[in-house]
Amino acid sequence: DGGITQSPKYLFRKEGQNVTLSCEQNLNHDAMYWYRQDPGQGLRLIYYSQIVNDFQKGDIAEGYSVSREKKESFPLTVTSAQKNPTAFYLCASTPSEGDTQYFGPGTRLTVL
Amino acid sequence: SQKIEQNSEALNIQEGKTATLTCNYTNYSPAYLQWYRQDPGRGPVFLLLIRENEKEKRKERLKVTFDTTLKQSLFHITASQPADSATYLCALDMENGGSQGNLIFGKGTKLSVKP
Repeated sequence: DGGITQSPKYLFRKEGQNVTLSCEQNLNHDAMYWYRQDPGQGLRLIYYSQIVNDFQKGDIAEGYSVSREKKESFPLTVTSAQKNPTAFYLCASTPSEGDTQYFGPGTRLTVL
Repeated sequence: SQKIEQNSEALNIQEGKTATLTCNYTNYSPAYLQWYRQDPGRGPVFLLLIRENEKEKRKERLKVTFDTTLKQSLFHITASQPADSATYLCALDMENGGSQGNLIFGKGTKLSVKP
C-alpha cells in the first residue's frame, strides 16, 4: 500500500516538553509539508521541504523544527517555545512533477 | 498579500439538490485552483484541479468552474447525498515561484446533506 503515514494519531504532552511527530511516505515524492489546523482556521504551513537535506520555513515556523535526512521521512518537533501547540497536525507530500498534495491522516496534539 | 475566502462556513441542503460552494481570491492570479474534501479528524483528500486557461472541469457528480475575471471558483455537487457531507477546502498555488506545489488553503465550507 502506498501512502503517507503519521504517528501517533493522538498525542498528549505536558507543558515544557518537546515532542516529535512522525511523517513517512512511500510514494517516492520529493516535496513534503507540515500544516497546522485549528478549529475555524484554514491549514497553515509550518515547514516544507523540496528535497532531502533542505527545508524552508512556512508562515508559522516559530516554535517548531524539522529534519529531512531521508526522502521518505519528514519529522516535526514541537518545542516548548511553541506557545499554543494544541492543534491538529497534517503532513502532506507532492511528486516533483505534480501539483496536488497527498495528506496523511493527521496527529492531534494536546498539551495538558 | 494573497487572500483566499470561502464565503460560507456552513451549507445545509436537502438530499438530491445541487450544492454550490464558492471560493474567492484577491491580490493574485493563480496558475491553478484545487478542491479538497476533509472528513472530521482526517486529512484532506484531493478532488479536482482546474487551471487558469480552463473554464470548467467535471468528475462524476462534481463540477468546478474558474472565472479569472471575477477571481472566483464555484464547486458544484449534483444529486447530493448524505455521504457528501464533509468540509470542502479550496486551495491556490502560492505566489512563490521557486516552490512548486506550495498551496494556500481557504478555511473550508462544511456541507451537510440532509436525507
